[in-house]
Amino acid sequence: QVQLVQSGAEVKKPGASVKVSCKASGYTFTSYGISWVRQAPGQGLEWMGWISAYNGNTNYAQKLQGRVTMTTDTSTSTAYMELRSLRSDDTAVYYCARPQGPYAEGAFDIWGQGTMVTVSS
Amino acid sequence: DIQMTQSPSTLSASVGDRVTITCRASQSISSWLAWYQQKPGKAPKLLIYKASSLESGVPSRFSGSGSGTEFTLTISSLQPDDFATYYCQQYNSYLITFGQGTRLEIK
Repeated sequence: QVQLVQSGAEVKKPGASVKVSCKASGYTFTSYGISWVRQAPGQGLEWMGWISAYNGNTNYAQKLQGRVTMTTDTSTSTAYMELRSLRSDDTAVYYCARPQGPYAEGAFDIWGQGTMVTVSS
Repeated sequence: DIQMTQSPSTLSASVGDRVTITCRASQSISSWLAWYQQKPGKAPKLLIYKASSLESGVPSRFSGSGSGTEFTLTISSLQPDDFATYYCQQYNSYLITFGQGTRLEIK
């Protein structure tokens, strides 16, 4: 079946970096992009950015520009999201999600299970 | 960025009730709107896309309507499984934005 499986929970110190993976299966990876969405404890959903698995093009949310990098490895059908210079307000559950089509603009029909990232000294 | 505003923030209702949640966009997004349901500790689940298209497998008691800047999600007869938080999302622009969420609780 079509699914996205994410890496496990992480605990990081302020100023460190984290890299979360999202492995796709059950569909042609390069025919879609992957978006990343995060949710701070008790808060709503925040879109972080998107990457095309076809050509690696990216769009990032302005507030994260310069701190986030999204990449893909087509040989393993895996997407990655790296966030640098972590702060306490980056503590959140991070989700990968697949838009319905090959572009950034799309409803997210498949979601990963989420990865908890805790930033604490 | 396009701002999405949901109302109400919290809604109390009973099993069998008909409920409506509203989502307003700060500028026209045509019909590029989706609705999600999220339960505690779980990923969001797509219910409606393109404002009124029902995602496969979603019960027909869920429906969406609207275009331009005003949209609604209606649940025709609430079931116990429907008590959750609901989010709208615009995808008219590649800068995706979500509403702040509506928590649907048991009265």
